[in-house]
Amino acid sequence: DSGVTQTPKHLITATGQRVTLRCSPRSGDLSVYWYQQSLDQGLQFLIQYYNGEERAKGNILERFSAQQFPDLHSELNLSSLELGDSALYFCASSVEWTSAYNEQFFGPGTRLTVL
Amino acid sequence: KNEVEQSPQNLTAQEGEFITINCSYSVGISALHWLQQHPGGGIVSLFMLSSGKKKHGRLIATINIQEKHSSLHITASHPRDSAVYICAVSPGSQGNLIFGKGTKLSVKP
Repeated sequence: DSGVTQTPKHLITATGQRVTLRCSPRSGDLSVYWYQQSLDQGLQFLIQYYNGEERAKGNILERFSAQQFPDLHSELNLSSLELGDSALYFCASSVEWTSAYNEQFFGPGTRLTVL
Repeated sequence: KNEVEQSPQNLTAQEGEFITINCSYSVGISALHWLQQHPGGGIVSLFMLSSGKKKHGRLIATINIQEKHSSLHITASHPRDSAVYICAVSPGSQGNLIFGKGTKLSVKP
């Protein structure tokens, strides 16, 4: 158990819908990362937050947004869902936001299926 | 060309064999990570290294910064080692990771 929690574990929805994925980082970790794992693209970085502030953006679509709340949990919002958004979404956390000796701890993931 | 390349893509071994998975990268990095993903999907960090060599039980990870290459070795492989092994790098001073496509390892009893 990494100490990172993600809910829900599974999510099945229809095209055009909007969903929210939730992540709680390990106690003491200030940085949260969101990653998407799809069959064709593999693991890709979406976005990073540190202590409530956006720190880095990767291949995140405009239909997707995220935020980190004062209690440090984070939510990833996916809207106008398409079939291609079906994937495993991982959240990871770390103490710092720079890469120097910055081990990341991964949550169990949320499997999103868009029908 | 991907920034992080792994080989082989798939690997089948007999229990007890010595296994090597290779990773090459083309960007400047501050650290390289080896991750393990089991069939259930969960990802576990095995190693994070920026130079030299690290050992944890039967697992050994090495990195050559000049050649931009890392290897993950598994000694005395066991069926429970069957998983996907993913190489990832922390580019420059950023905190996010860039991932390789993974190596699917199957160890037969």
